[in-house]
Amino acid sequence: AQTVTQSQPEMSVQEAETVTLSCTYDTSENNYYLFWYKQPPSRQMILVIRQEAYKQQNATENRFSVNFQKAAKSFSLKISDSQLGDTAMYFCAFMKHRNAGNNRKLIWGLGTSLAVNP
Amino acid sequence: DSGVTQTPKHLITATGQRVTLRCSPRSGDLSVYWYQQSLDQGLQFLIQYYNGEERAKGNILERFSAQQFPDLHSELNLSSLELGDSALYFCASSSSLLAGGTTDTQYFGPGTRLTVL
Repeated sequence: AQTVTQSQPEMSVQEAETVTLSCTYDTSENNYYLFWYKQPPSRQMILVIRQEAYKQQNATENRFSVNFQKAAKSFSLKISDSQLGDTAMYFCAFMKHRNAGNNRKLIWGLGTSLAVNP
Repeated sequence: DSGVTQTPKHLITATGQRVTLRCSPRSGDLSVYWYQQSLDQGLQFLIQYYNGEERAKGNILERFSAQQFPDLHSELNLSSLELGDSALYFCASSSSLLAGGTTDTQYFGPGTRLTVL
């Protein structure tokens, strides 16, 4: 069974600084998807970034980028130029590739609570 | 705004009661997913529908049931409610079409916060 581990329950960063959130996962699948979602105090679940395991290039979305290390089963999120609005719970999630079957469920880590301080 | 809508936003009820949560997916999305977020168990997958058919089941209790209707909206029914059912219930949707890189990416509604007293 797949598992997702986020080893940092809480982190803080100063505004405009860079922070990296860690995520490791365990799977025997060769092809899959990885995601980072953020959940601000409003509790809305918002997609931050997505990575397909067969793509070697790390995904980037504006100030958000990932360091995907497939062999190490590591998927960290880097937030550059942190802003107060980045304060949120960040969840790492795993999903099997569609070729692995019809079950498209997301498997979640427990989250990292990030506080951006002024 | 993800395009996924959920009603109601908040629900307060008593133990033993039954409630129905409603979800409308993004326009064009055929797949709907339900997740439960509780303080003690984190985010748990409940069930997945695709174009009206059940595709996968997760940790869904027998007291819970769901369905997806021909217009693709979905309902999650929770019955014989217990205190431990208090949680945030999310609906998400995704597209089955190979378009724009959004295939398989799940977009979430705002959630329904259920409080069982």
